[in-house]
Amino acid sequence: DAKTTQPPSMDCAEGRAANLPCNHSTISGNEYVYWYRQIHSQGPQYIIHGLKNNETNEMASLIITEDRKSSTLILPHATLRDTAVYYCIVRPSQGAQKLVFGQGTRLTINP
Amino acid sequence: GAGVSQSPRYKVAKRGQDVALRCDPISGHVSLFWYQQALGQGPEFLTYFQNEAQLDKSGLPSDRFFAERPEGSVSTLKIQRTQQEDSAVYLCASSRSETGGFYEQYFGPGTRLTVT
Repeated sequence: DAKTTQPPSMDCAEGRAANLPCNHSTISGNEYVYWYRQIHSQGPQYIIHGLKNNETNEMASLIITEDRKSSTLILPHATLRDTAVYYCIVRPSQGAQKLVFGQGTRLTINP
Repeated sequence: GAGVSQSPRYKVAKRGQDVALRCDPISGHVSLFWYQQALGQGPEFLTYFQNEAQLDKSGLPSDRFFAERPEGSVSTLKIQRTQQEDSAVYLCASSRSETGGFYEQYFGPGTRLTVT
């Protein structure tokens, strides 16, 4: 599985957009980029995933660079409840089902 | 609807004791996963079931760890002769996926195991 690199921590003001970067320079052509988050004392929660096109859902937007070597998760209007550890994961579309988590980014939303 | 549930939520065991951790996946979910999360770290994969078949147990750290899912629904993770390094949160996840494709994994709240 390709490895990912994320900043260990970030801060964002409530109501502003939170932009979380992820580098995955060794990603293969059949690997998707997934984002999960883990709020304190809870299990991880799926946010969004994509292959090469930008994606948007009710939770967030995912911007993947054209060369697919990096991506950015965008929380458009961060709230205090978005404080969590955010994990960027690359994973094949077929085959192995497991998720390989890195260290993630601890995002703190400040009032 | 009901999510993934795990019991107990907290378990304290004396070193050398055996423990059993239970996972109730979402009804109808074919795939079930166990992960171990040490303090301050991301979850690490332990094992994967598709229905009752254990297809991947490459992440189990030692032969003291054993998982089963005999009827393809509820799963139990058993740790024999617990050691202090087994202290962690044990997460269970389930998904609809059988093979390939993408179905998101739904995680339970975890069981926090403390070995004293």
